[in-house]
Formats: sequence, C-alpha cells, structure tokens
Amino acid sequence: DQQVKQNSPSLSVQEGRISILNCDYTNSMFDYFLWYKKYPAEGPTFLISISSIKDKNEDGRFTVFLNKSAKHLSLHIVPSQPGDSAVYFCAAPYNSGYALNFGKGTSLLVTP
Amino acid sequence: KAGVTQTPRYLIKTRGQQVTLSCSPISGHRSVSWYQQTPGQGLQFLFEYFSETQRNKGNFPGRFSGRQFSNSRSEMNVSTLELGDSALYLCASSPGQNEKLFFGSGTQLSVL
Repeated sequence: DQQVKQNSPSLSVQEGRISILNCDYTNSMFDYFLWYKKYPAEGPTFLISISSIKDKNEDGRFTVFLNKSAKHLSLHIVPSQPGDSAVYFCAAPYNSGYALNFGKGTSLLVTP
Repeated sequence: KAGVTQTPRYLIKTRGQQVTLSCSPISGHRSVSWYQQTPGQGLQFLFEYFSETQRNKGNFPGRFSGRQFSNSRSEMNVSTLELGDSALYLCASSPGQNEKLFFGSGTQLSVL
C-alpha cells in the first residue's frame, strides 16, 4: 500500500508562472518530508525538506507547505524556469529512517 | 568527496539470466538503500542495509537480493530475470537517520 501519493502524473506551466506540485500521505507518524528532483537517466537530487513541526519551509524559488491535519504537502516553484522541467518526487522516511518511501512522481514541463 | 558510484551504467541481459549490480556509497556513509524505477511506478524501495545488516526489505520477490560489505559497498542481485525487471536501479547512501539520501546515477537494466 502506497503511503506517499502523488496523484498528478504531469503538470505543464508557462515560464515565469507558479508551479504547484501536490503530495498526500497516509501515515500520520511521518515526521519529515523531502522533495527530490530527477532528470532522465540520472539519480534524484535533493531539493527541499520540511519537518512536521513546521508548516512551511522556503529555499530560494522553492517553498514547501505542510498541512498535517489534511496529511498533505505541496511544493511551490516561483517563478518557474525551463530548467525546472523534471520529475519531482515527494518522499517520507521508511521504517528505520535510513531509506525513503517515494510517491510515483509528477513530471513538470515548463514552457517558454 | 566522491559521490555515490554505481556500476555498470548499462546492462543488457536475456530472460532467465542473473545480474549483479554494484554500489559504492559516499565515504563515511554506512547506510545504503536500493530502489527500482519503472515508468508509471515511481521509485520503489527494494532494500536497505546498515553496517552489513539488511534492516528493511520492500515488497519484491525473493529473486531480488542484496548484501553489504564491511567497507559499506553494496551489491544487489536479481536471479531468473524477467522482462518486467527492465528498469533503472538506483542506489542511495545516507549519513544518518532521517537525513537526506544521496543517489548514484543508476544502472539501466534491459531484459530482452
């Protein structure tokens, strides 16, 4: 049973606009969430994270929001750039905390 | 520091064969985890090792196995290959519990 869900397989946004990627989770014990970005034929790279004691974390153009009551988080990219076109994965720690549960990913396309 | 290194980069095998993939973590990282990426399924957790012990295993058949050596290098093995095993296999290492993972570039396995 998938504990981290990304229900939108793809998203297309114009350059300069906001991209919003969504993620839902089922396990209320998760206390830490991460977003990874992945280009084809490369390994994922860490983008931003958030602890469950916060509801927002910002890093440059990237902001992650956490709504614990709704078990929902979102990644906002403002402004979106063509180089942001990639697959974005939401993740939460697996049992031991040394591995991750990933969602299925959302493919973002930013058009000029 | 050198990143996570995975070898080989590409592999082509036929059904029924077996394959061994290798992963060298970042120096000092004692945890290694493996993931399978296929179209539409995202990143699925295979297994996780810490100090030569398998701590967690994902929902994969027994044909998938792995091990970790005393120098933290890890191998995964897939026996009796099936067409559906064609995927990008990713290895990640971690410096600690609930820390971000660092991924290698992956091994692209094609089963014909």
